[in-house]
Amino acid sequence: DTAVSQTPKYLVTQMGNDKSIKCEQNLGHDTMYWYKQDSKKFLKIMFSYNNKELIINETVPNRFSPKSPDKAHLNLHINSLELGDSAVYFCASSQVGSGTDTQYFGPGTRLTVL
Amino acid sequence: GESVGLHLPTLSVQEGDNSIINCAYSNSASDYFIWYKQESGKGPQFIIDIRSNMDKRQGQRVTVLLNKTVKHLSLQIAATQPGDSAVYFCAEIHTGFQKLVFGTGTRLLVSP
Repeated sequence: DTAVSQTPKYLVTQMGNDKSIKCEQNLGHDTMYWYKQDSKKFLKIMFSYNNKELIINETVPNRFSPKSPDKAHLNLHINSLELGDSAVYFCASSQVGSGTDTQYFGPGTRLTVL
Repeated sequence: GESVGLHLPTLSVQEGDNSIINCAYSNSASDYFIWYKQESGKGPQFIIDIRSNMDKRQGQRVTVLLNKTVKHLSLQIAATQPGDSAVYFCAEIHTGFQKLVFGTGTRLLVSP
């Protein structure tokens, strides 16, 4: 009964490859997010989607393309991976306008680009 | 003990002590604040929140204080336990924009 789940948990790949990370939430929330956490533990938002529509795009390179097939899923596809993309990526969800704006996070995907 | 979360500092306390973790937030228009706990290998976990129309909120063993005048937030943990060891993040949000901005985090180490 995991609230926000991500797959895979670990992803090791070569520079130049294309990879995807999947996220699903079963909380019935209408808004989902992707965050990047660097080696210094700094967490920064990348994207948010509300009801499958892009709301926030924090000047992320266009090699990163989020896809939301429905409001319970927000996948992240990364083209032409670079060394600097190595980080932990977290998916989160929230219900906007519910009286609480708390975002609930998934367990993270550790991406290592060699 | 006390700490200011600027460059992922570490706060080391003994089990049973009270811990205070501090955070300076950046946007005076932020109206909602959250403390998250992140254990090793896991995602951030919600601890407690506070809206800008309050200056104090209490949970189970945790208290959040908000001082809007100086844009300062603190998390107090009573009777700290080894299971409290983690990195703690404050986060601010302007609910009109739905963009959560995280502080840099403070590592709490609790020794038995």
